[in-house]
Amino acid sequence: DAMVIQNPRYQVTQFGKPVTLSCSQTLNHNVMYWYQQKSSQAPKLLFHYYDKDFNNEADTPDNFQSRRPNTSFCFLDIRSPGLGDAAMYLCATSRDMAADTQYFGPGTRLTVL
Amino acid sequence: GESVGLHLPTLSVQEGDNSIINCAYSNSASDYFIWYKQESGKGPQFIIDIRSNMDKRQGQRVTVLLNKTVKHLSLQIAATQPGDSAVYFCAENMSGGSGTSYGKLTFGQGTILTVHP
Repeated sequence: DAMVIQNPRYQVTQFGKPVTLSCSQTLNHNVMYWYQQKSSQAPKLLFHYYDKDFNNEADTPDNFQSRRPNTSFCFLDIRSPGLGDAAMYLCATSRDMAADTQYFGPGTRLTVL
Repeated sequence: GESVGLHLPTLSVQEGDNSIINCAYSNSASDYFIWYKQESGKGPQFIIDIRSNMDKRQGQRVTVLLNKTVKHLSLQIAATQPGDSAVYFCAENMSGGSGTSYGKLTFGQGTILTVHP
């Protein structure tokens, strides 16, 4: 059974057109993360929520925002996608942060035209 | 920190051989380590983890070895199968202390494993 679910699996948007990616989890984990992964690279952390507390990475562009309306759901909003934002976006969860396993969803492949 | 690499290390093996994938980690304060397997077009899948109070841990067909002295981690896969073909990432985490790196995974650059039938 899927524990971290991402929708859609593939998203195509136009340059500058806002897009929202969603993630849900059935693990009741406290922490939810969003990563960006480009071809042949490791995942890059954008931000995370510990419960309702939002933590942005210092180098995450303002173009990327996130919302977590409840424990189960977390959204990634890209306000004005550029061609360089085409990537795989991965959601992950963990029970806690310290030395805890992160479980990843299947990812959403974003294409920007 | 972020790993950047357009040319990932590769390892090619024959089906049935044992595979060893190596990883050098960066932070001597890291005390938790994870190996992930990522197939093309999919998210990373947890394989096995190890804490710094151990130097070896075994799972089903996989073994992780940790050498804290030289900050080296390895993943051994026994009787490698074509379904093991994927990119393998090591990741380190730090449970103690404070600061911006607390509780965050730092990924290695990844190794492409190709298993030939």
